[in-house]
Amino acid sequence: AQSVSQHNHHVILSEAASLELGCNYSYGGTVNLFWYVQYPGQHLQLLLKYFSGDPLVKGIKGFEAEFIKSKFSFNLRKPSVQWSDTAEYFCAVNTKAAGNKLTFGGGTRVLVKP
Amino acid sequence: EAGVTQFPSHSVIEKGQTVTLRCDPISGHDNLYWYRRVMGKEIKFLLHFVKESKQDESGMPNNRFLAERTGGTYSTLKVQPAELEDSGVYFCASSQDGAGLAKNIQYFGAGTRLSVL
Repeated sequence: AQSVSQHNHHVILSEAASLELGCNYSYGGTVNLFWYVQYPGQHLQLLLKYFSGDPLVKGIKGFEAEFIKSKFSFNLRKPSVQWSDTAEYFCAVNTKAAGNKLTFGGGTRVLVKP
Repeated sequence: EAGVTQFPSHSVIEKGQTVTLRCDPISGHDNLYWYRRVMGKEIKFLLHFVKESKQDESGMPNNRFLAERTGGTYSTLKVQPAELEDSGVYFCASSQDGAGLAKNIQYFGAGTRLSVL
């Protein structure tokens, strides 16, 4: 069965700082990878996704993620965060074999101080 | 285009009572998923409908949970009787069907926060 781990539960940083959130998954086959974000009081939104091709994917709001197959990782990055990036971030995977249901990591709460 | 809507946004009930959560997927989305997040834990899959059929219900915790999707449109998730450990946020998501990759993109509702006292 697939599983996902996110390295940090909480991250606090100042505006303009760089952000990197770690995500590792365990599954030996082909996976689709996702980062979702939940802003306070809002629904989960898709930030970016990786299905195939260029392992560096760009998403909305200046976020990007890099798929490193050898490390089973899909880390999320943003060079310069804003106060509005305060949210909870979720890494998730799905596989065709598992019927496309999403398996989530535990989430990382990010607080950006103005 | 309306997104995935869930009702109610918050429900507070006593142990032993019944609660029914509703999810309206995006129009035309045949796939509908239920997930749950218990406090402090990860979001976990409960079940998956394709139209009105249960495709995968491997994540349903026990037989106190009953999900339906009559007519293949909206879905309900009933908990009867509710227990303390059922507290959490219940998310619904929907996606398109078909052979392409679009079916992998799930759109989520805002969730229903269930508190069992």
